[in-house]
Amino acid sequence: GENVEQHPSTLSVQEGDSAVIKCTYSDSASNYFPWYKQELGKGPQLIIDIRSNVGEKKDQRIAVTLNKTAKHFSLHITETQPEDSAVYFCAARNLFGNEKLTFGTGTRLTIIP
Amino acid sequence: NAGVTQTPKFRILKIGQSMTLQCTQDMNHNYMYWYRQDPGMGLKLIYYSVGAGITDKGEVPNGYNVSRSTTEDFPLRLELAAPSQTSVYFCASILGYQNTGELFFGEGSRLTVL
Repeated sequence: GENVEQHPSTLSVQEGDSAVIKCTYSDSASNYFPWYKQELGKGPQLIIDIRSNVGEKKDQRIAVTLNKTAKHFSLHITETQPEDSAVYFCAARNLFGNEKLTFGTGTRLTIIP
Repeated sequence: NAGVTQTPKFRILKIGQSMTLQCTQDMNHNYMYWYRQDPGMGLKLIYYSVGAGITDKGEVPNGYNVSRSTTEDFPLRLELAAPSQTSVYFCASILGYQNTGELFFGEGSRLTVL
């Protein structure tokens, strides 16, 4: 089955700086890669996703890049703000053959004011 | 629109007790999931269902049971609770899996077994 590794497990950045979280996946059949944000005491919420036919996707201060050859994808947050402090999860699945999403172990991002 | 609703939010159980975590969604989603979240371990899939009457095991099903008698409800049953089942449990749903879309999560149920 799919295995997703996520790094780092914790990340602290100064407000206004950029944050990068990296994930690798094992199953070359995976073609859908979402990122979820989990605020304290809440369930995870989708913030951005990318399909394997696209190398990069951006939504305001958040971007995701995908390298299919290397089987890794990354979340980039620019101009970080205090409300970006949360736990972030990457995930992977095969859209056409699998009902299950495999999650990474999460990154706790802390924005230092 | 309530989305995915889980009850209870918190529960303390004694070893050997049983309980049911309730999950209901009002989005007419076909697929529903139960995850557990342990510190530093991400989200592990316990059970999932692709429609009423159909359930299947995930990565960590031992000690749990589920049923799916309606589209809306997907309860998770813990029989003979053990300390290893201390965790935060999340229910989630999605309309269908051929399209991407968003996996909607409930707010979680924190269970402690003493």
